[in-house]
Amino acid sequence: GESVGLHLPTLSVQEGDNSIINCAYSNSASDYFIWYKQESGKGPQFIIDIRSNMDKRQGQRVTVLLNKTVKHLSLQIAATQPGDSAVYFCAEKNAGNMLTFGGGTRLMVKP
Amino acid sequence: ETGVTQSPTHLIKTRGQQVTLRCSSQSGHNTVSWYQQALGQGPQFIFQYYREEENGRGNFPPRFSGLQFPNYSSELNVNALELDDSALYLCASSLQGSRDTQYFGPGTRLTVL
Repeated sequence: GESVGLHLPTLSVQEGDNSIINCAYSNSASDYFIWYKQESGKGPQFIIDIRSNMDKRQGQRVTVLLNKTVKHLSLQIAATQPGDSAVYFCAEKNAGNMLTFGGGTRLMVKP
Repeated sequence: ETGVTQSPTHLIKTRGQQVTLRCSSQSGHNTVSWYQQALGQGPQFIFQYYREEENGRGNFPPRFSGLQFPNYSSELNVNALELDDSALYLCASSLQGSRDTQYFGPGTRLTVL
């Protein structure tokens, strides 16, 4: 069945270091992937997305990599800041317009 | 801020009661999706509304129902509340036919006692 999962439930990094959050997906037919950031008490905030015809997309301090061969998605955050501390979700979108979310990775930034 | 608003912010109900949650979509967006997020988990898709009709549904029982109005705002109704319905209910708006990126509101925290 469809599933989106994350390898690491908690990631702790030093301020200024780069962070990498990983995600595996199982539906090879998915053609659109999104990373969301969720801070405590708030709704998920869109970070970056990527379509299946791309393998890399860059934003401001963030990069998403897509490896369709192994069905793997990653989010790279450059120069991680305390404000980056949150739970990060990857999600995949299917033809039925629904988003399937993984369980989330908590990113903790140490000062 | 996404421009998606939800009300109320928090709500406490007892088992067996009914609840209505409301969502106003971002300006220009014609599609609203609802998600349930249990504590410590990722959001789970409930259903989506487009042009005032249900346009996809997740694995939720019929006691979860919804509406979309001509101004694209939406309601989520849950009947016969159960303890397991306690969760954060999220609304997301998007523009059908584009990249369909969904932008979320802050959610309504529902507690069922």
